Amino acid sequence: DVQMTQSPYNLAASPGESVSINCKASKSISKYLAWYQQKPGKASKLLVYDGSTLQSGIPSRFSGSRSGTDFTLTIRSLEPEDFGLYYCQQHNEYPFTFGSGTKLEIK
Amino acid sequence: QVTLKESGPGVLQPSQTLSLTCTFSGFSLNTYGVGVGWIRQPSGKGLEWLANIYWDDDKFYNPSLKTRLTISMDTSNSQAFLKITSVDTADTATYYCARVDRKSGYYFDYWGQGVMVTVSS
Repeated sequence: DVQMTQSPYNLAASPGESVSINCKASKSISKYLAWYQQKPGKASKLLVYDGSTLQSGIPSRFSGSRSGTDFTLTIRSLEPEDFGLYYCQQHNEYPFTFGSGTKLEIK
Repeated sequence: QVTLKESGPGVLQPSQTLSLTCTFSGFSLNTYGVGVGWIRQPSGKGLEWLANIYWDDDKFYNPSLKTRLTISMDTSNSQAFLKITSVDTADTATYYCARVDRKSGYYFDYWGQGVMVTVSS
């Protein structure tokens, strides 16, 4: 299985700041990585797929990038609604695997 | 508008079979490439992919649980199902279903809110 190592575990930031969340795959997954936002009691939201393609309806302050097996989700100019849990998922091969999650909190 | 909603028994005892239902709208499992996946999350822990089923009845399982999982669908009623046999306390989790369209890729573009399942004697 492809192991996804996600960091940091916790992240505290203020509205207006920019943050980055990282995922490293244990082997090549080409560009096939997705990012999701999870909030209590709400359906998870797909933010980015194929490493850098923004899902329709997602604000442009979200962006994804890739360098080899390292992937980064960047959120610029944080809005209050951006706080929550973020997960990466490799969608290159079965079994699909997720990172351990990053909790983005208000500072 | 795509929506998915999971339903399940809430609480069950060890060794029983867990039956989950995903009722969806806004898409069809008769559409080429479309599928539904099941993912679970123990409280305070990460996400684990369990299984996918596609429009052509193609099925894929997580090898770590494959012997205990059965995924199926009822296209006429817009439902997908997951059964997990011989449950134990480690199966206590929130279970999610989500849509996938393998024409685009194997990511989950719409999710349900999840259903909590507790395995306890």
